[in-house]
Amino acid sequence: GENVEQHPSTLSVQEGDSAVIKCTYSDSASNYFPWYKQELGKGPQLIIDIRSNVGEKKDQRIAVTLNKTAKHFSLHITETQPEDSAVYFCAAIWADNYGQNFVFGPGTRLSVLP
Amino acid sequence: NAGVTQTPKFRILKIGQSMTLQCTQDMNHNYMYWYRQDPGMGLKLIYYSVGAGITDKGEVPNGYNVSRSTTEDFPLRLELAAPSQTSVYFCASTVVSGNTIYFGEGSWLTVV
Repeated sequence: GENVEQHPSTLSVQEGDSAVIKCTYSDSASNYFPWYKQELGKGPQLIIDIRSNVGEKKDQRIAVTLNKTAKHFSLHITETQPEDSAVYFCAAIWADNYGQNFVFGPGTRLSVLP
Repeated sequence: NAGVTQTPKFRILKIGQSMTLQCTQDMNHNYMYWYRQDPGMGLKLIYYSVGAGITDKGEVPNGYNVSRSTTEDFPLRLELAAPSQTSVYFCASTVVSGNTIYFGEGSWLTVV
């Protein structure tokens, strides 16, 4: 089955610096890769996603890149702000004859230091 | 815009008690899921449903039961609560393959 690894598990950056979180997946059938942000005491919220037919997607300070050959995708946050501090989860999703399947990474705790 | 609604938000149970975590979504989503998240850990799938009347086990189903009598509702039942079930529980839903997964706000459960 699919396995998603996520690194690093914790990340501390200074305000204004960039943060990069990387995920690798094992099943080439995965074709949709969302990133979720979970703030303290709340449920995960989708922040950006990318499909397998696209190499990069950007939304203001957040970008995601996908390397299908190497089976990895990364979240890039530029000009980090204290409110970016949260736990970030990646996921790999694929569909088969039985329906949709998805696996989450273990999460990265990002701390943005003022 | 209610989305996915979970109740209760917080609950303390005694060992051996039973309870039901409620989850409802108003987006007409076919797929619904229950996850648990232990402190500092990722999400583990307990049960999922691909439509009314259809449920299946996830990664960690022991000690739990679900039902899906309607498209909107997907309750999670704990029959004999154990301390190992102390966790945060998230309900989620999505439409079809590859679409955005929407999460509820979570239910914090402590078993003492």
